[in-house]
Amino acid sequence: DVKVTQSSRYLVKRTGEKVFLECVQDMDHENMFWYRQDPGLGLRLIYFSYDVKMKEKGDIPEGYSVSREKKERFSLILESASTNQTSMYLCASSYGGAGNTIYFGEGSWLTVV
Amino acid sequence: GENVEQHPSTLSVQEGDSAVIKCTYSDSASNYFPWYKQELGKGPQLIIDIRSNVGEKKDQRIAVTLNKTAKHFSLHITETQPEDSAVYFCAAEVFNKFYFGSGTKLNVKP
Repeated sequence: DVKVTQSSRYLVKRTGEKVFLECVQDMDHENMFWYRQDPGLGLRLIYFSYDVKMKEKGDIPEGYSVSREKKERFSLILESASTNQTSMYLCASSYGGAGNTIYFGEGSWLTVV
Repeated sequence: GENVEQHPSTLSVQEGDSAVIKCTYSDSASNYFPWYKQELGKGPQLIIDIRSNVGEKKDQRIAVTLNKTAKHFSLHITETQPEDSAVYFCAAEVFNKFYFGSGTKLNVKP
């Protein structure tokens, strides 16, 4: 079975803190994704990586950065957390090429106070 | 980029009835359309998918239809059961990126 593991399920951070969300996949997938999920808005793509050290901005990259130093690991970084970044964050991965299924982790609930 | 719209946002049915969720997309380059089920507190799980060279696909009580000309696709669940209660998302893939609808909360009443 494909496994996408998000290291932190629940986090509470203060405004202005730097926040790291870590994600690891065990299927040697080329593509990795970070989505943000908010009620009524569905899943919105923050960043996409198609290879080590390669990344593309998604629809809502402002306030976020990412790091992919190893194929299996994709990190989402909030440089200076703000209350409007309180949300559920979902990591996902897939094989490269068109038409490949995307697999999700269990999500990380982030609250910024 | 791609825009995926999903309706309805909530759907309540009686156990045993059918449920239909509809999605439209904007980018004609989209060729792969998965559907996900998300239970409370969990990540989305793939339940069925369809590719653009196919008009319909069925897996037991779940079926998906695709109309590429009209740019819409639908999820059909027959003989609904309480365990079908969840949030369902449709998605469209364009050049390796996935764009999701806003979700449908399905409630199956026993």
